[in-house]
Amino acid sequence: DVKVTQSSRYLVKRTGEKVFLECVQDMDHENMFWYRQDPGLGLRLIYFSYDVKMKEKGDIPEGYSVSREKKERFSLILESASTNQTSMYLCASSLGGSAGELFFGEGSRLTVL
Amino acid sequence: ELKVEQNPLFLSMQEGKNYTIYCNYSTTSDRLYWYRQDPGKSLESLFVLLSNGAVKQEGRLMASLDTKARLSTLHITAAVHDLSATYFCAVGYPHTGNQFYFGTGTSLTVIP
Repeated sequence: DVKVTQSSRYLVKRTGEKVFLECVQDMDHENMFWYRQDPGLGLRLIYFSYDVKMKEKGDIPEGYSVSREKKERFSLILESASTNQTSMYLCASSLGGSAGELFFGEGSRLTVL
Repeated sequence: ELKVEQNPLFLSMQEGKNYTIYCNYSTTSDRLYWYRQDPGKSLESLFVLLSNGAVKQEGRLMASLDTKARLSTLHITAAVHDLSATYFCAVGYPHTGNQFYFGTGTSLTVIP
């Protein structure tokens, strides 16, 4: 069974803290994505990656960075968390090159106080 | 600009009724995906449509794709309460950076 695993389902952090959200997929997918989802705004793409050590900015990269040191793992980093980054974060992966189906992780709900 | 529009945004329907959710997209593609999301949960894949005229059915849900009209539909037959969720369509564009463009979602409530 295909699986995308996000390390934390729920996190509560304080303003200014550094936050790591981890995502691991076991499908040998080339592509990995980080989205955030907010009520009324739908899914917005933060960053994506087509290969190891490769990253591309999505629609809303400000305040975020990513790391992809291994093919199966894609990390989202909030260098200094702010209250406006309180959101649901969704990781997804897909096979390379063909815009094949996206598989989503369970989501990480982050609250920044 | 690539756009994906879903309508309606909100849908309240009685059990046993039929209804259709529409997904229009601005630029030709033959890759269309439907997802379901329950409150507080992630997105779960429902259908993958990869050619013009593709039709897929699962239980009370049926999805179709018309690439010429740039339109996909998600038809609900004899709705039941368990179908209450938010439904998203997503269009795939392999040769663009983002690759996937999502509709805004349709929040469906089935009333007993």
